[in-house]
Amino acid sequence: EIVLTQSPGTLSLSPGERATLSCRASQSVSSSYLAWYQQKPGQAPRLLIFGASSRATDIPDRFSGSGSGTDFTLTITRLEPEDFAVYYCQQYGSSPRTFGQGTKVEIK
Amino acid sequence: EVQLVQSGAEVKKPGESLKISCKGSGYSFTNYWIGWVRQMPGRGLEWMGIIHPRDSDTRYSPSFQGQVTISVDKSISTAYLQWSSLKASDTAMYYCARLLYYYNSDGYNIPLHFDYWGQGTLVTVSS
Repeated sequence: EIVLTQSPGTLSLSPGERATLSCRASQSVSSSYLAWYQQKPGQAPRLLIFGASSRATDIPDRFSGSGSGTDFTLTITRLEPEDFAVYYCQQYGSSPRTFGQGTKVEIK
Repeated sequence: EVQLVQSGAEVKKPGESLKISCKGSGYSFTNYWIGWVRQMPGRGLEWMGIIHPRDSDTRYSPSFQGQVTISVDKSISTAYLQWSSLKASDTAMYYCARLLYYYNSDGYNIPLHFDYWGQGTLVTVSS
């Protein structure tokens, strides 16, 4: 099973700042099959990024994904108030599919 | 518009059985895998398993194999998650979600990532 480790656990930033979230896999993720989801309190997760770097429909271009192999990054270039949430990475290249434990982006 | 609408919150006692549902609309239900994800209180997301409505091909995470049953009734575009004997540790929010897919060179339908999610069903198990 591929274990995904996200860091940091919590990121305290101000609106307008840049957020860099890391997702490290215990083994190489096949075909860069890595997705990122955003979850706000009381809401279902929402797909942001798939295939490591492709934005999902209607996702603003301030969100970008990069990486391959075992190291992946989600970058939010300028945080908007609605971006403060928990972010999860998920690999779907190997079975069983697994999620990271999440990174909370909170207002500083 | 793609929608996944889940059944309402449940409060059950340990040892009771339960079946929750997820109804898809706005797309061809039999073309897409449907999956279930658990989120325990204050915790992260856990991938439980998936099912393909066309042939009921079902795949479970080892952590959930034997603990739950995933099923589908394609005639009413609805997927299910059920327990035969609930435990307090089953208390969680459960989400269903649709998966995108592709066909590999051998013609197999390969599930990918989740794209649309249901609103969640809160299951509380308490004596």
